[in-house]
Amino acid sequence: EVQLVESGEGLVQPGSSMKLSCVASGFTFSNYGMNWIRQAPKKGLEWIALIYYDSSSKYYADSVKGRFTISRDNSKNTLYLEMNSLRSEDTAMYYCAKGGGAGNYFDYWGQGVMVTVSS
Amino acid sequence: DIVMTQTPSSQAVSAGEKVTMSCKSSQSLLYSENKKNYLAWYQQKPGQSPKLLISWASTRESGVPDRFIGSGSGTDFTLTISSVQAEDLAVYYCEQYYDTPWTFGGGTKLELK
Repeated sequence: EVQLVESGEGLVQPGSSMKLSCVASGFTFSNYGMNWIRQAPKKGLEWIALIYYDSSSKYYADSVKGRFTISRDNSKNTLYLEMNSLRSEDTAMYYCAKGGGAGNYFDYWGQGVMVTVSS
Repeated sequence: DIVMTQTPSSQAVSAGEKVTMSCKSSQSLLYSENKKNYLAWYQQKPGQSPKLLISWASTRESGVPDRFIGSGSGTDFTLTISSVQAEDLAVYYCEQYYDTPWTFGGGTKLELK
């Protein structure tokens, strides 16, 4: 059974940093691209970052480019999202999601972690 | 960026009804080399993470009931629920994975009439 378990939830002040983790199990993690997707309270879904299976390529949404960094450690089956210069508009539920393989749809999602940016 | 527009934003339904919802993209999602549409549908129930229902516009995921039917091509897509059940009350999102940034529609919320 595929499982994605995020951690790192919390409340931080604007301008600060935070790092999220996502531990994967139930599939060969090193074979798949992985994504972070967020959802602001009562809002829709926003894809924010993708990392290829071998970390050879990374893509970011414009809203987070230059502030967020996606990375992975295939030896630990773990995906990361380092978030810097956090803003109030980054307040959201953050989900890690497995890429579908042939296309970047999201076939498995974690339960999500809440990040709140507020003074 | 490819803009995804879903209509209606909400819809009140009764159990047993046939429901259709629309998703339109600002550019074609049909890749000419493989004739595939790069469009997925997700279901998000209250308090839960989204669940993939359909990929490639019409390929149902394993375990998804056959009352969920995806159709369409190019820029116009439809998700049909042939006979809505109470457990189908949720928000439905379409997503294009034709090009980066991957983008979602605003969602269609199914509510009880």
